[in-house]
Amino acid sequence: QVHLQESGPGLVRPSQTLSLSCAVSGDSMSSPDYYWNWIRQPPGKGLEWIGYIYSNGNTYFNPSLKSRLSMSVDTSRSQFSLRLNSVTAADAAVYYCVRGIIVHRDFDSWGQGALVTVSS
Amino acid sequence: QSALTQPRSVSGSPGQSVTISCTGTSSDVGLYNYVSWYQHHPGRAPTLLIYDVSERPSGVPDRFSGSRSDNTASLTISGLQVEDEAEYYCCAYAGSYVPFVFGTGSQVSVL
Repeated sequence: QVHLQESGPGLVRPSQTLSLSCAVSGDSMSSPDYYWNWIRQPPGKGLEWIGYIYSNGNTYFNPSLKSRLSMSVDTSRSQFSLRLNSVTAADAAVYYCVRGIIVHRDFDSWGQGALVTVSS
Repeated sequence: QSALTQPRSVSGSPGQSVTISCTGTSSDVGLYNYVSWYQHHPGRAPTLLIYDVSERPSGVPDRFSGSRSDNTASLTISGLQVEDEAEYYCCAYAGSYVPFVFGTGSQVSVL
């Protein structure tokens, strides 16, 4: 049973960089069957797909965030990370790290979520 | 890419059946066999209920079923139980530009 756990600062200043990490346990990140996603949910709103990264480091981002977004993966440490630059209040959300199964284009395992507030 | 449209709320009594619709377009829901559904209890991690329009992962009760007609996917919960009270989201694969689009979410209440 795979387990994902987000970590990172809960408060980010406007215009600064939001950085989150996701620790993966219970399964190998190196499998070609999976992609590793970030999905967020702003307060009172629905889910928004942010982007994913493969174990080889290839990424795919939501075009609406692409210019501010980067992701990295370290399979030897079983973790992947998100960096979102120049944040505004609109970036405040619960951020989930999520494993996806490529062949099904779905999201089969989710972390508990990390609440990020954007405020000065 | 616009969010898929779901009813804001759906309710039913224990034992009844409820159906949640998820309306997209011929470029997402209607085009690919990659519609999935998620259950989200507040404060907990969302869980996968349905993938590939109508397939259930192991461990998901067969009370949950998925279907699709044209550009609208549906999730049916049969034999509604109190623990089914949660937010439900659909998600569709939408191709290479914005691969994934989620629904607006539906709150299921058990009366």
